[in-house]
Amino acid sequence: EPEVTQTPSHQVTQMGQEVILRCVPISNHLYFYWYRQILGQKVEFLVSFYNNEISEKSEIFDDQFSVERPDGSNFTLKIRSTKLEDSAMYFCASILSQETQYFGPGTRLLVL
Amino acid sequence: SQQGEEDPQALSIQEGENATMNCSYKTSINNLQWYRQNSGRGLVHLILIRSNEREKHSGRLRVTLDTSKKSSSLLITASRAADTASYFCAADQGGSEKLVFGKGTKLTVNP
Repeated sequence: EPEVTQTPSHQVTQMGQEVILRCVPISNHLYFYWYRQILGQKVEFLVSFYNNEISEKSEIFDDQFSVERPDGSNFTLKIRSTKLEDSAMYFCASILSQETQYFGPGTRLLVL
Repeated sequence: SQQGEEDPQALSIQEGENATMNCSYKTSINNLQWYRQNSGRGLVHLILIRSNEREKHSGRLRVTLDTSKKSSSLLITASRAADTASYFCAADQGGSEKLVFGKGTKLTVNP
C-alpha cells in the first residue's frame, strides 16, 4: 500500500538555525499538507498546497515558514530561524481529493 | 470555538469491554475522519464518514455521524490491550480540505 514518508525522523537543532523537513507524498495525490503537534497537544494545521502554490495557511505559518515542491515528488517545509516553541512533531499529509488524508510518520523537531 | 472536541479526554477500560468516544464540531463538514496515535508516533487513519452518511463499520470499529447535532462517535467493540492509544477526530470543512483536529481521547485498555 502506498504511504507518505518523511525524513528525518528526528532533528535536533540550535535556536536560530534553519531546518528543512522533507516529505514524499503518495504519488498520484494532489493536495499536500503540513501539520504540527506540540507534545501533549492536539494536531494543528499549518499549510495546504495545491497546484504548486499555497492554498491556505494558518496563523502559525508566519514568514519564518515556507513550503516547496521542488521536483514533483518531494514536499518540503523550511523553518528559517527556529525558535524554542517550534519544537514539535511535524506531520506531512496528502490526499487525492475529498478522501482519506494520509499522514506520514512525522519528524520530531527539538530546538535547543 | 474549537472544532472536533472529543470526550472523554481519558478512558480506562478492561479488555473485552467496548469503548465509546464522542466528538463534536462547530461548522458544516465534507467528512469526518478518525485517527489513532500510539504514544509519540504517527497518525494512523481508522475510518472516514461522509456528511451524507449516518453510520459506518470497519472490523471492530463503528462510527456514527449526526450532522444535526454536529457530533460523531467512535465505538471500539471487544477491546484489546493493543487498542491502547489516543484517538482523534478530524473534521474536513471543505475548501482546501484541511483537517481540524480535536484534543483526542486517551484510551487505556487493561489486560
